[in-house]
Amino acid sequence: NAGVTQTPKFRILKIGQSMTLQCTQDMNHNYMYWYRQDPGMGLKLIYYSVGAGITDKGEVPNGYNVSRSTTEDFPLRLELAAPSQTSVYFCASNLAGGPIQETQYFGPGTRLLVL
Amino acid sequence: AQSVTQLDSHVSVSEGTPVLLRCNYSSSYSPSLFWYVQHPNKGLQLLLKYTSAATLVKGINGFEAEFKKSETSFHLTKPSAHMSDAAEYFCVVSRVERGSTLGRLYFGRGTQLTVWP
Repeated sequence: NAGVTQTPKFRILKIGQSMTLQCTQDMNHNYMYWYRQDPGMGLKLIYYSVGAGITDKGEVPNGYNVSRSTTEDFPLRLELAAPSQTSVYFCASNLAGGPIQETQYFGPGTRLLVL
Repeated sequence: AQSVTQLDSHVSVSEGTPVLLRCNYSSSYSPSLFWYVQHPNKGLQLLLKYTSAATLVKGINGFEAEFKKSETSFHLTKPSAHMSDAAEYFCVVSRVERGSTLGRLYFGRGTQLTVWP
């Protein structure tokens, strides 16, 4: 059981470039989440999904897009990278019922630097 | 509105001495509260959670936290620190959004715990 995996571990982007952050979980979890962690700050929710084909915005969705075509995968897309998107991105999942009722499992994170 | 304040950005202790990581919250109703730990280059891991049952919550690795409503606090403690406890710790408060059944987590800024030999 690999849990939640994220790729890449680290990436440098130029302003205006695009990229996709990959997230995969092998626990058959229905709920998946993307968070960002800015230096010295707590995590903030970007997008979440309660199942394949269903996604919704979190606190800070601007500049990002997501899709959920399978239970396992929840990629995060940055279309036009901006310096304000420099952050560490965490993917998380839980079986059902949301993060209050269920323990969330986090991936190791992707560090993104936009120059 | 929900928010959480971690009172110390860094805490240093010697191995074998007690650990205290402080957290205060604000919430318009009785919240669920959590502590998560993040070891270097790893994802966050749930240490413990409070969901309106017993006010003293025991977690993994000997950690515990006490919910004090009168003080709006949820401090994390451990009687004796171990080198492996060195990590970043996040206090988290939950909120169920209006019109949604999904609870969301609101994270504090984190406290970096250093354990000296």
